[in-house]
Amino acid sequence: QLQLQESGPGLVKPSETLSLTCTVSGGSISSSSYYWGWIRQPPGKGLEWIGSIYYSGSTYYNPSLKSRVTISVDTSKNQFSLKLSSVTAADTAVYYCARHAVSGYYYYMDVWGKGTTVTVSS
Amino acid sequence: DIQMTQSPSSLSASVGDRVTITCRASQSISSYLNWYQQKPGKAPKLLIYAASSLQSGVPSRFSGSGSGTDFTLTISSLQPEDFATYYCQQSYSTPRFTFGQGTRLEIK
Repeated sequence: QLQLQESGPGLVKPSETLSLTCTVSGGSISSSSYYWGWIRQPPGKGLEWIGSIYYSGSTYYNPSLKSRVTISVDTSKNQFSLKLSSVTAADTAVYYCARHAVSGYYYYMDVWGKGTTVTVSS
Repeated sequence: DIQMTQSPSSLSASVGDRVTITCRASQSISSYLNWYQQKPGKAPKLLIYAASSLQSGVPSRFSGSGSGTDFTLTISSLQPEDFATYYCQQSYSTPRFTFGQGTRLEIK
């Protein structure tokens, strides 16, 4: 059974770079059928898509975050990673990684990690 | 960018009630619409994809309908475990996604 697990520092200082990794187990990140992505949820608020990556390395970012986001993939480790630069308190959130599966032309996020809380504070 | 608007933002209902949540897209997205359920402290769970396809393992009391710009999620008979927040998500611009703001379903 496919599982995703987020990892990384729970506390980041303002202006620094947030770095998280999602480890995929029970399946290969190199499958051509899936995208892999990051979603976040500020405290008490809704879900925000951050960006997605294909195993080949093609990336797609939320325009509102694009200037600060980098998503990368390491197929040898079955992992993909998120870097968010110049963070502020507004970046405090639970960060989720998720698999984007497809049926025909319809994509959806069918497997999620449990989420990791990142707080931006000095 | 495609914007997704859900209504209502919150609603109260009782066990056994039939409940409908609406999601509207800012432009036509055909049937590229997914629904998720999220309980406090948990990751979202996929309920419906492609507007009306029930994800494996999801109870049949959940159903989705709509196409174009207007979509609905219906729970035919509310169960205690259904009280949660529900999100719609467009996948028309895959792999660029947009979520609705969420609908909180509370016990009356």
